Amino acid sequence: SYVLTQPPSVSVAPGKTARVTCGGNNIGTKSVHWYQQKPGQAPVVVIYYDSDRPSGIPERFSDSNSGNTATLTVSRVEAGDETDYYCQVWDTSSDHHVVFGGGTKLTVL
Amino acid sequence: EVQLLESGGDLVQPGGSLRLSCAASGFIYSSYAMSWVRQAPGKGLEWVSSISGSGVTTYYADSVKGRYTISRDNSKNTLYLQMNSLRAEDTAVYYCANYPSSGAAFDMWGHGTMVTVSS
Repeated sequence: SYVLTQPPSVSVAPGKTARVTCGGNNIGTKSVHWYQQKPGQAPVVVIYYDSDRPSGIPERFSDSNSGNTATLTVSRVEAGDETDYYCQVWDTSSDHHVVFGGGTKLTVL
Repeated sequence: EVQLLESGGDLVQPGGSLRLSCAASGFIYSSYAMSWVRQAPGKGLEWVSSISGSGVTTYYADSVKGRYTISRDNSKNTLYLQMNSLRAEDTAVYYCANYPSSGAAFDMWGHGTMVTVSS
C-alpha cells in the first residue's frame, strides 16, 4: 500500500517561511491535498490539487510537488499557523484507497 | 451553509456494535461521494470508508473491511457507518466528509463523534 511520510514537527520563527514535506514514491505524479487541523477541530483543506486554495485561505499557503516529495510552504508565518498539517493523496494502485500522511506539528517559536 | 453533523458515538464493549450517522445539509447530497475518516486520540487521520453519490459503490480500508458497512439514504441526506466486532484500536473520533469525485480533496468535514471501545 502507498505510504506518505511527514516529519513529526517543524519549527519556524514568526515572519519566516515554514516548509512541511510529504514524501511518497513518485508523489510528483499524484495530486496532493493539504489539510490544517487545529486542536479539537475538524481538518480544513488549505491546498487542493497541489496548488489551488479554497476561498479564505491566505496566499501565504502554497505547495510544490515533484519527484518523491511534496512540500507545503507557509510564508510569513504567524502565530495562528501553529497547528497540525496533513498531506493526502488517492492511491490509484489500490481500490480507491485514500492515504494520509502521519501529520506534522508546525511550531511558531 | 454546508453542514455535516455526526451522531451515534458512544462507549461500547469489545466485540460490540455501533451505528454512526451523518446528517448533511446545504448542498446537493446525492451529487457528492462521502467518506468516514477517523482519528485515534493523539494520532493522525486514517481513512475508513467511502461511498459513491448513488450509494452503489463502496470502499473500505483493510483495517475495517468485513466489520464495517457504509451506506447512505439520499432521501434523508444521511450517511451511515455500521460498525461490528469493535476492537480497542477502533477507538477514535469519527468524521464524515464529502468530496465531489475520486481524486478530489475532502471539501467539508463534520465536527466528529467519539467512539470508545473499552470494557
